[in-house]
Amino acid sequence: QKEVEQDPGPLSVPEGAIVSLNCTYSNSAFQYFMWYRQYSRKGPELLMYTYSSGNKEDGRFTAQVDKSSKYISLFIRDSQPSDSATYLCAMRGPGANSKLTFGKGITLSVRP
Amino acid sequence: IAGITQAPTSQILAAGRRMTLRCTQDMRHNAMYWYRQDLGLGLRLIHYSNTAGTTGKGEVPDGYSVSRANTDDFPLTLASAVPSQTSVYFCASSDGNRGSPLHFGNGTRLTVT
Repeated sequence: QKEVEQDPGPLSVPEGAIVSLNCTYSNSAFQYFMWYRQYSRKGPELLMYTYSSGNKEDGRFTAQVDKSSKYISLFIRDSQPSDSATYLCAMRGPGANSKLTFGKGITLSVRP
Repeated sequence: IAGITQAPTSQILAAGRRMTLRCTQDMRHNAMYWYRQDLGLGLRLIHYSNTAGTTGKGEVPDGYSVSRANTDDFPLTLASAVPSQTSVYFCASSDGNRGSPLHFGNGTRLTVT
């Protein structure tokens, strides 16, 4: 079992839809959870950052972490064509030198 | 604008040639990383450096070498390129504190023919 599993997609939704992106993981030591957004021919950019369990909201984006189920989610409300990108989940353990483990990413397309 | 600069943006390289991908950051981050990104395989860590003067091997280090002579620069060298090294290469950095996220450059698209 891979440490981080992410729905492979691709995913296509109409503008205005609510989008749910998910990752599961197997390493219970993971404490820091991130979502990166990557536009075509660009590097990944940090979108959301969460420590331990709980929810975090930033505008139209909500990150949710359920450590008991080893499951994280990113919700996008009122999706826009500009949200079309690849989304990667990432997580790391507590050590200062622990490495970031990425999901493979899911490509989202928001249709006008 | 603070961030990571990678050069070149893209390159076509003949197999067997030597190539150095450059990476410079101006955020004074302690830790730096090199990843390759391939379709279906995601991001894979090649080498990393927790601080200037130290380096370590990641998941796919074979065929690559790095050096970290100072805080800002972290070049990646392919000593003798092979077609399987065709990929998009991303340099990243973090401040090295517990749980800190990575910041990425915009990548170098390398094609080895």
